[in-house]
Amino acid sequence: GAVVSQHPSWVICKSGTSVKIECRSLDFQATTMFWYRQFPKQSLMLMATSNEGSKATYEQGVEKDKFLINHASLTLSTLTVTSAHPEDSSFYICSARDRGLRNNQPQHFGDGTRLSIL
Amino acid sequence: AQKVTQAQTEISVVEKEDVTLDCVYETRDTTYYLFWYKQPPSGELVFLIRRNSFDEQNEISGRYSWNFQKSTSSFNFTITASQVVDSAVYFCALSESTGNQFYFGTGTSLTVIP
Repeated sequence: GAVVSQHPSWVICKSGTSVKIECRSLDFQATTMFWYRQFPKQSLMLMATSNEGSKATYEQGVEKDKFLINHASLTLSTLTVTSAHPEDSSFYICSARDRGLRNNQPQHFGDGTRLSIL
Repeated sequence: AQKVTQAQTEISVVEKEDVTLDCVYETRDTTYYLFWYKQPPSGELVFLIRRNSFDEQNEISGRYSWNFQKSTSSFNFTITASQVVDSAVYFCALSESTGNQFYFGTGTSLTVIP
């Protein structure tokens, strides 16, 4: 069964809206979570690393003021796309670090969020 | 720097054919992990395998098999007797020993024609 829940699975909204995406680890504590972005027919690109109780670490070229990350608890990280524009339309996937390597995986991925900005 | 190359962008095979998806990686780390994920049209990533850099044994799981060769920095994936349900994008990935930083290849889109 799924060990990481991502919500919502898809969202369509108007340009200028802020959108929040949640990533929850369901049965383990994740001190580290990751946010990826995937454009159509492209690979997953790491946007940022989210650490519980501290500031996120952003990859080069990712605007921290645009993509706000909050990791306030050991089971929840949120990504807020602020003032979203059509170019922010993408597939966003989170993952949670699992030091227990359950199912032989160091990271468990959410099912992704399809974001469409009109 | 770490890098994963999947040279095959798209592959089409007829059902029941065998198909091999290539993956070549670059890393200076001596300890690392290699992965294969399947991404069906619905978008979720389905974990297929994790391989430790110290374990070069090939692995077979049903119709799936993996060939890991450190000498050529390759971690190829073969599907035997392909089925329509195998149609998806397959990603090869490399991570450092902590399992934190993942480097994904560009993916191979496999279409199995009935």
